[in-house]
Amino acid sequence: NAGVTQTPKFQVLKTGQSMTLQCAQDMNHEYMSWYRQDPGMGLRLIHYSVGAGITDQGEVPNGYNVSRSTTEDFPLRLLSAAPSQTSVYFCASSESRDRTYEQYFGPGTRLTVT
Amino acid sequence: GQSLEQPSEVTAVEGAIVQINCTYQTSGFYGLSWYQQHDGGAPTFLSYNALDGLEETGRFSSFLSRSDSYGYLLLQELQMKDSASYFCASHASGGSYIPTFGRGTSLIVHP
Repeated sequence: NAGVTQTPKFQVLKTGQSMTLQCAQDMNHEYMSWYRQDPGMGLRLIHYSVGAGITDQGEVPNGYNVSRSTTEDFPLRLLSAAPSQTSVYFCASSESRDRTYEQYFGPGTRLTVT
Repeated sequence: GQSLEQPSEVTAVEGAIVQINCTYQTSGFYGLSWYQQHDGGAPTFLSYNALDGLEETGRFSSFLSRSDSYGYLLLQELQMKDSASYFCASHASGGSYIPTFGRGTSLIVHP
């Protein structure tokens, strides 16, 4: 199993540009989530999904959209990039049958908005 | 809402024991997790406590006191490779159990 994969690994955008960060998992996990990590701020939840077709907002959803058309994929869209969205983005997945609710993280996407 | 507090930095020497504390305020609290993250890497799961008491996994142990809204991660026989950031994360009931993370504790292990 590849686990959780994210593309791209690095990205530089100009203010106002849009893009999609890709996330895929091959473990048949129901739950998927997007976090952003900034220095000294820990991991903050952007959006999450509890299954295909179901998404909800996390702590910092503004400026981001998600969709979950399949169990495997959970893309994150930046609508109009701003310098405040410069961050490291992690996608994670987990399954409800795991009573430890262990989150499996992808390797991250390092995004810079100039 | 949910909030977690943990020290920003802890230092220790190789072979020692270190404890990283975490206090939480979580509505509908269900459990507390711990994750390790090395520089440039992704967080990896260490442990999960849903009940009061100590859970031991090798050199690492995690403790939870639900009445005190408090937990800690105990690292024994510290090694240089344990230098990393450690995050506590709380889980709340409500359907998703997606965790909320603390800001992390940077552990520096000296020779």
